[in-house]
Amino acid sequence: AQKITQTQPGMFVQEKEAVTLDCTYDTSDPSYGLFWYKQPSSGEMIFLIYQGSYDQQNATEGRYSLNFQKARKSANLVISASQLGDSAMYFCAMREGLTGGFKTIFGAGTRLFVKA
Amino acid sequence: SAVISQKPSRDICQRGTSLTIQCQVDSQVTMMFWYRQQPGQSLTLIATANQGSEATYESGFVIDKFPISRPNLTFSTLTVSNMSPEDSSIYLCSYWDRENNEQFFGPGTRLTVL
Repeated sequence: AQKITQTQPGMFVQEKEAVTLDCTYDTSDPSYGLFWYKQPSSGEMIFLIYQGSYDQQNATEGRYSLNFQKARKSANLVISASQLGDSAMYFCAMREGLTGGFKTIFGAGTRLFVKA
Repeated sequence: SAVISQKPSRDICQRGTSLTIQCQVDSQVTMMFWYRQQPGQSLTLIATANQGSEATYESGFVIDKFPISRPNLTFSTLTVSNMSPEDSSIYLCSYWDRENNEQFFGPGTRLTVL
């Protein structure tokens, strides 16, 4: 079964608007972390944001925020005020605790296109 | 955070040969990971490499094909053995920064097998 699901292969957003990239996950481990990474065409993996399963507040990092809904097992990334440089591939990932072997696994990714 | 580097950055190899990829971290880390990213795909975990023990491989990956060494807390190697064109991918090493709850990635090794 898929542990990380990203259902949007591609998304378009107008420059300066906000966009939400969806991510759902599945785990029985009570302790886990959720991540979002950006991968531009250069191929590097750029860490954006982290949410721990016990964190009470939604994580925010500048223009990035993570809409964490634990009961629904969703961890959507919200990018506000999109910029042309935000065009890239975005991966949602989950790191499980002891029962998951402390491994980080990735979703299929969403390619974001920012239009001028 | 520690700096993580990989060598080579890219290579073109003939089928049937082997390539060893090196990963160096500039501080000691407990867990290192090797991932594969096939063209247009997501990252797939190959194995977890802990110092002083055998690597733990994920389903679909075997030691004979992807032997891994972890001689100390700053270094690891992944060998891609008896290569075929299907092994053409980007191979990334990674480590977990427990203090900052962040997983860092090396720049990747882009492998093309002819």
